[in-house]
Amino acid sequence: GAVVSQHPSRVICKSGTSVKIECRSLDFQATTMFWYRQFPKKSLMLMATSNEGSKATYEQGVEKDKFLINHASLTLSTLTVTSAHPEDSSFYICSARPQEATNEKLFFGSGTQLSVL
Amino acid sequence: DAKTTQPTSMDCAEGRAANLPCNHSTISGNEYVYWYRQIHSQGPQYIIHGLKNNETNEMASLIITEDRKSSTLILPHATLRDTAVYYCIVKTDSWGKLQFGAGTQVVVTP
Repeated sequence: GAVVSQHPSRVICKSGTSVKIECRSLDFQATTMFWYRQFPKKSLMLMATSNEGSKATYEQGVEKDKFLINHASLTLSTLTVTSAHPEDSSFYICSARPQEATNEKLFFGSGTQLSVL
Repeated sequence: DAKTTQPTSMDCAEGRAANLPCNHSTISGNEYVYWYRQIHSQGPQYIIHGLKNNETNEMASLIITEDRKSSTLILPHATLRDTAVYYCIVKTDSWGKLQFGAGTQVVVTP
């Protein structure tokens, strides 16, 4: 099956620093990628939808200047958490929809656990 | 997209079939039923989806009632590795967002 690679799997950073998370579709092209965050024992919350070559669409309540999303190619989307604070600590997950998809079968990365000290 | 209702949790004995219910009474005619699961600290994994006919693949079977207001995901022979949160999602097959509800925590015990 299609593989989505997400890196890093775990990152610990100091408050005020920025962290970049990469999401790559390894064996398919993805026009659309999605970014989610998940707090402990909670469900996934959609943060934004990124389309290759255009600006991301953010969900209500998600600060676009805080969570910078870049989808520069059909196989790579990045999420940068700028000036991270402890409340940004969470599990971040990306998913990708194949370019030729005709349904909502999405492929997910393995997630990034962000801990801000 | 229609909302879904799932039990919060359920236990299942290893080797037995696990039947996971999902209620989607407000489903509309062009909405599909999707099932994903998330094993702890991993990204979700697609399981199966269907419109109105029952579906089966190597992972599971999906039984959709005739009125389409509910469905059941069947894991035929549950293993310990099937312990996960299972999400039932109703969605049209069009460009859009996949939103996750609370899901059902399934624990498979020896």
